[in-house]
Amino acid sequence: SAVISQKPSRDICQRGTSLTIQCQVDSQVTMMFWYRQQPGQSLTLIATANQGSEATYESGFVIDKFPISRPNLTFSTLTVSNMSPEDSSIYLCSGLDSLAKNIQYFGAGTRLSVL
Amino acid sequence: GDSVTQMEGPVTLSEEAFLTINCTYTATGYPSLFWYVQYPGEGLQLLLKATKADDKGSNKGFEATYRKETTSFHLEKGSVQVSDSAVYFCALSDRNQAGTALIFGKGTTLSVSS
Repeated sequence: SAVISQKPSRDICQRGTSLTIQCQVDSQVTMMFWYRQQPGQSLTLIATANQGSEATYESGFVIDKFPISRPNLTFSTLTVSNMSPEDSSIYLCSGLDSLAKNIQYFGAGTRLSVL
Repeated sequence: GDSVTQMEGPVTLSEEAFLTINCTYTATGYPSLFWYVQYPGEGLQLLLKATKADDKGSNKGFEATYRKETTSFHLEKGSVQVSDSAVYFCALSDRNQAGTALIFGKGTTLSVSS
Protein backbone atom coordinates (compact mmCIF):
# COMPACT_ATOMS: atom_id res chain seq x y z
CA SER A 1 0.00 0.00 0.00
CA ALA A 2 1.00 3.61 -0.49
CA VAL A 3 1.57 6.00 2.40
CA ILE A 4 0.51 9.55 1.67
CA SER A 5 1.71 12.50 3.71
CA GLN A 6 0.01 15.87 3.57
CA LYS A 7 1.01 19.16 5.05
CA PRO A 8 0.02 21.33 6.67
CA SER A 9 -2.43 19.25 8.65
CA ARG A 10 -4.45 22.35 9.47
CA ASP A 11 -4.32 26.09 9.03
CA ILE A 12 -6.30 29.20 9.79
CA CYS A 13 -6.04 31.80 7.06
CA GLN A 14 -7.27 35.30 6.37
CA ARG A 15 -9.67 36.13 3.59
CA GLY A 16 -7.92 37.01 0.33
CA THR A 17 -4.75 35.06 1.02
CA SER A 18 -3.59 31.78 -0.57
CA LEU A 19 -2.48 28.48 0.90
CA THR A 20 -0.46 25.73 -0.76
CA ILE A 21 -0.99 22.17 0.41
CA GLN A 22 1.68 19.57 -0.25
CA CYS A 23 1.14 15.87 -0.85
CA GLN A 24 3.99 13.35 -0.82
CA VAL A 25 3.64 9.66 -1.64
CA ASP A 26 6.17 7.09 -0.48
CA SER A 27 5.96 5.07 -3.69
CA GLN A 28 5.07 5.67 -7.28
CA VAL A 29 1.38 6.01 -7.98
CA THR A 30 -0.19 6.14 -11.40
CA MET A 31 -2.71 8.85 -10.56
CA MET A 32 -3.12 11.50 -7.90
CA PHE A 33 -6.34 13.26 -7.04
CA TRP A 34 -7.44 16.20 -4.93
CA TYR A 35 -10.77 16.15 -3.09
CA ARG A 36 -12.66 18.64 -0.97
CA GLN A 37 -14.78 17.66 2.02
CA GLN A 38 -16.97 20.47 3.20
CA PRO A 39 -18.24 20.36 6.79
CA GLY A 40 -20.60 17.44 7.30
CA GLN A 41 -20.46 16.51 3.63
CA SER A 42 -18.97 13.81 1.48
CA LEU A 43 -15.89 14.11 -0.68
CA THR A 44 -16.03 15.98 -3.96
CA LEU A 45 -13.34 15.57 -6.58
CA ILE A 46 -11.58 18.82 -7.41
CA ALA A 47 -9.15 17.60 -10.04
CA THR A 48 -6.82 14.89 -11.24
CA ALA A 49 -3.18 15.88 -10.92
CA ASN A 50 -1.30 14.91 -14.08
CA GLN A 51 2.45 14.54 -14.03
CA GLY A 52 4.16 17.23 -16.06
CA SER A 53 0.99 18.71 -17.50
CA GLU A 54 -2.04 20.71 -16.50
CA ALA A 55 -4.45 19.13 -14.06
CA THR A 56 -7.87 17.95 -15.20
CA TYR A 57 -10.56 19.85 -13.31
CA GLU A 58 -14.09 18.79 -12.47
CA SER A 59 -17.10 20.91 -13.19
CA GLY A 60 -17.26 23.82 -10.77
CA PHE A 61 -13.52 23.98 -10.13
CA VAL A 62 -11.10 26.16 -12.11
CA ILE A 63 -7.35 26.42 -12.37
CA ASP A 64 -7.21 30.06 -11.32
CA LYS A 65 -8.82 29.21 -7.99
CA PHE A 66 -7.16 25.83 -7.40
CA PRO A 67 -3.84 25.67 -9.26
CA ILE A 68 -2.28 22.21 -9.03
CA SER A 69 1.21 21.01 -9.77
CA ARG A 70 2.63 17.52 -10.08
CA PRO A 71 6.31 17.75 -11.03
CA ASN A 72 6.99 14.03 -10.53
CA LEU A 73 5.24 10.75 -9.75
CA THR A 74 5.36 11.11 -5.97
CA PHE A 75 4.59 14.78 -5.25
CA SER A 76 1.76 17.21 -5.87
CA THR A 77 0.58 20.55 -4.56
CA LEU A 78 -2.82 22.21 -4.43
CA THR A 79 -3.12 25.95 -3.90
CA VAL A 80 -6.34 27.49 -2.65
CA SER A 81 -6.19 31.04 -4.01
CA ASN A 82 -7.83 34.26 -2.89
CA MET A 83 -9.58 32.44 -0.09
CA SER A 84 -13.01 33.22 1.30
CA PRO A 85 -14.85 31.64 4.26
CA GLU A 86 -16.65 29.36 1.78
CA ASP A 87 -13.31 27.64 1.15
CA SER A 88 -13.22 26.35 4.71
CA SER A 89 -13.06 22.60 4.22
CA ILE A 90 -10.88 19.56 4.54
CA TYR A 91 -8.71 19.05 1.47
CA LEU A 92 -7.47 15.53 0.80
CA CYS A 93 -5.10 14.12 -1.72
CA SER A 94 -5.14 10.53 -2.82
CA GLY A 95 -2.95 8.24 -4.87
CA LEU A 96 -3.96 5.33 -7.02
CA ASP A 97 -1.77 2.34 -6.24
CA SER A 98 0.06 1.30 -9.40
CA LEU A 99 0.15 -2.33 -8.29
CA ALA A 100 -3.43 -2.61 -7.05
CA LYS A 101 -5.80 -1.44 -9.71
CA ASN A 102 -8.43 1.05 -8.58
CA ILE A 103 -7.41 1.15 -4.92
CA GLN A 104 -6.88 4.70 -3.70
CA TYR A 105 -5.01 5.68 -0.57
CA PHE A 106 -5.61 8.96 1.16
CA GLY A 107 -3.62 11.47 3.09
CA ALA A 108 -4.84 12.59 6.51
CA GLY A 109 -6.16 15.80 5.01
CA THR A 110 -5.64 19.51 5.55
CA ARG A 111 -8.26 21.24 7.69
CA LEU A 112 -8.55 24.79 6.41
CA SER A 113 -10.45 27.55 8.18
CA VAL A 114 -10.79 30.92 6.49
CA LEU A 115 -11.71 33.92 8.60
CA GLY B 1 -23.92 9.60 -14.12
CA ASP B 2 -22.72 7.10 -11.58
CA SER B 3 -23.81 7.66 -7.99
CA VAL B 4 -23.81 6.15 -4.52
CA THR B 5 -26.60 6.38 -1.97
CA GLN B 6 -26.04 5.63 1.70
CA MET B 7 -28.46 5.43 4.57
CA GLU B 8 -28.78 8.62 6.55
CA GLY B 9 -27.11 8.80 9.91
CA PRO B 10 -26.22 9.11 12.60
CA VAL B 11 -26.40 5.50 13.67
CA THR B 12 -26.20 5.06 17.43
CA LEU B 13 -25.56 1.60 18.87
CA SER B 14 -24.55 -0.03 22.10
CA GLU B 15 -21.36 -2.05 22.24
CA GLU B 16 -21.73 -5.59 20.84
CA ALA B 17 -24.80 -4.67 18.79
CA PHE B 18 -25.18 -5.73 15.16
CA LEU B 19 -24.44 -3.10 12.55
CA THR B 20 -25.82 -2.64 9.06
CA ILE B 21 -25.15 0.43 6.93
CA ASN B 22 -27.01 0.33 3.64
CA CYS B 23 -25.38 1.35 0.39
CA THR B 24 -26.82 1.20 -3.12
CA TYR B 25 -25.27 2.39 -6.35
CA THR B 26 -26.10 3.42 -9.88
CA ALA B 27 -23.50 2.75 -12.53
CA THR B 28 -23.45 2.38 -16.29
CA GLY B 29 -20.27 0.30 -16.31
CA TYR B 30 -18.90 -2.39 -14.05
CA PRO B 31 -17.87 -0.70 -10.84
CA SER B 32 -15.53 -1.75 -8.12
CA LEU B 33 -17.07 -1.04 -4.71
CA PHE B 34 -15.40 0.18 -1.55
CA TRP B 35 -16.01 1.07 2.04
CA TYR B 36 -13.78 3.71 3.57
CA VAL B 37 -13.71 4.75 7.22
CA GLN B 38 -12.79 8.14 8.64
CA TYR B 39 -11.95 8.24 12.34
CA PRO B 40 -12.27 11.57 14.14
CA GLY B 41 -9.59 13.99 13.02
CA GLU B 42 -8.09 11.59 10.49
CA GLY B 43 -8.14 10.98 6.76
CA LEU B 44 -9.88 8.16 4.96
CA GLN B 45 -8.76 4.59 5.31
CA LEU B 46 -9.77 1.77 3.02
CA LEU B 47 -11.84 -0.69 5.04
CA LEU B 48 -12.74 -3.26 2.40
CA LYS B 49 -13.45 -3.69 -1.29
CA ALA B 50 -15.09 -5.93 -3.88
CA THR B 51 -14.40 -5.85 -7.57
CA LYS B 52 -17.12 -8.04 -9.08
CA ALA B 53 -20.56 -9.46 -8.44
CA ASP B 54 -20.87 -11.84 -5.47
CA ASP B 55 -17.44 -10.89 -4.13
CA LYS B 56 -17.35 -10.42 -0.37
CA GLY B 57 -14.95 -7.91 1.11
CA SER B 58 -14.00 -8.28 4.75
CA ASN B 59 -11.70 -6.62 7.25
CA LYS B 60 -11.62 -6.08 11.03
CA GLY B 61 -14.91 -7.98 11.45
CA PHE B 62 -16.70 -5.87 8.82
CA GLU B 63 -18.17 -7.50 5.73
CA ALA B 64 -19.91 -6.37 2.57
CA THR B 65 -21.11 -8.41 -0.41
CA TYR B 66 -21.32 -7.03 -3.95
CA ARG B 67 -24.93 -7.68 -5.01
CA LYS B 68 -25.37 -6.86 -8.67
CA GLU B 69 -29.05 -7.88 -8.75
CA THR B 70 -29.93 -5.33 -6.08
CA THR B 71 -27.06 -2.92 -6.89
CA SER B 72 -26.10 -2.94 -3.23
CA PHE B 73 -23.01 -3.19 -1.05
CA HIS B 74 -24.28 -3.10 2.53
CA LEU B 75 -21.73 -2.95 5.34
CA GLU B 76 -22.24 -5.30 8.30
CA LYS B 77 -20.52 -6.16 11.54
CA GLY B 78 -21.75 -8.69 14.03
CA SER B 79 -20.56 -6.97 17.22
CA VAL B 80 -19.48 -3.34 17.20
CA GLN B 81 -17.00 -1.80 19.58
CA VAL B 82 -16.63 1.74 20.87
CA SER B 83 -13.50 2.03 18.72
CA ASP B 84 -15.66 1.56 15.60
CA SER B 85 -17.16 5.01 16.10
CA ALA B 86 -16.36 6.85 12.88
CA VAL B 87 -17.82 8.03 9.60
CA TYR B 88 -18.23 5.32 6.96
CA PHE B 89 -18.23 6.10 3.25
CA CYS B 90 -19.39 3.82 0.48
CA ALA B 91 -17.70 4.50 -2.87
CA LEU B 92 -17.35 3.17 -6.38
CA SER B 93 -14.99 3.43 -9.29
CA ASP B 94 -15.26 2.17 -12.83
CA ARG B 95 -13.43 -1.16 -12.85
CA ASN B 96 -12.79 -1.04 -16.57
CA GLN B 97 -11.28 2.42 -16.61
CA ALA B 98 -7.96 2.50 -14.87
CA GLY B 99 -7.20 5.68 -13.06
CA THR B 100 -10.68 6.99 -12.41
CA ALA B 101 -11.49 8.87 -9.25
CA LEU B 102 -13.88 7.56 -6.62
CA ILE B 103 -17.52 8.55 -6.35
CA PHE B 104 -18.55 8.71 -2.72
CA GLY B 105 -21.79 8.47 -0.83
CA LYS B 106 -22.57 11.13 1.74
CA GLY B 107 -21.19 9.13 4.62
CA THR B 108 -22.83 7.58 7.66
CA THR B 109 -21.75 8.52 11.15
CA LEU B 110 -21.62 5.62 13.59
CA SER B 111 -21.53 6.24 17.33
CA VAL B 112 -21.03 3.27 19.64
CA SER B 113 -21.48 3.61 23.38
CA SER B 114 -20.29 1.29 26.13
